[in-house]
Amino acid sequence: GQNIDQPTEMTATEGAIVQINCTYQTSGFNGLFWYQQHAGEAPTFLSYNVLDGLEEKGRFSSFLSRSKGYSYLLLKELQMKDSASYLCAVRDIGNTPLVFGKGTRLSVIA
Amino acid sequence: GAGVSQTPSNKVTEKGKYVELRCDPISGHTALYWYRQSLGQGPEFLIYFQGTGAADDSGLPNDRFFAVRPEGSVSTLKIQRTERGDSAVYLCASSLGAPSTINYGYTFGSGTRLTVV
Repeated sequence: GQNIDQPTEMTATEGAIVQINCTYQTSGFNGLFWYQQHAGEAPTFLSYNVLDGLEEKGRFSSFLSRSKGYSYLLLKELQMKDSASYLCAVRDIGNTPLVFGKGTRLSVIA
Repeated sequence: GAGVSQTPSNKVTEKGKYVELRCDPISGHTALYWYRQSLGQGPEFLIYFQGTGAADDSGLPNDRFFAVRPEGSVSTLKIQRTERGDSAVYLCASSLGAPSTINYGYTFGSGTRLTVV
């Protein structure tokens, strides 16, 4: 089975940096994904990590440590439109669908 | 189509009734997934199709839930004898290849919000 843990809520200030953590316990591991979901909308893909280290994509970066079962999503230069839920999802080995965490609701305030 | 299309966007039904939710994936995507999302929770896996066959239906909560994909494109999720606990947003997603091969995530539809009263 898989267990994915992330904080329920976070608040950060416009223009600041925020780090959203995700820890996971899986029997096998074949990749970790981050999604963004605005209220009432579909999740949209942000990033993918399968090897240890940092993947940078514009204002968003994602980090993975497989030995620690840990990932984080880093959002820089926060904008009000970044207020959303951020979902961490893990893929096990084999053709198994993604398992999602409960999501972290981020509120960006002025 | 250009994206994953789900119909209806909203469905209100009475307890005990039968409902069908439809998903039209991106053209050419061989893998199709159904998830269910309750308020404040992450998506919960229900079933995954590779082509016409259900490759993994381990997430279906009970035998009231059934899904088909007869021609390998459109899929229908069927719920019999609906219960109030079935109320949730039902999300469909598709991907070009099998789950183990992709590194760009799934493309989700906007979901069907099911309310059982």
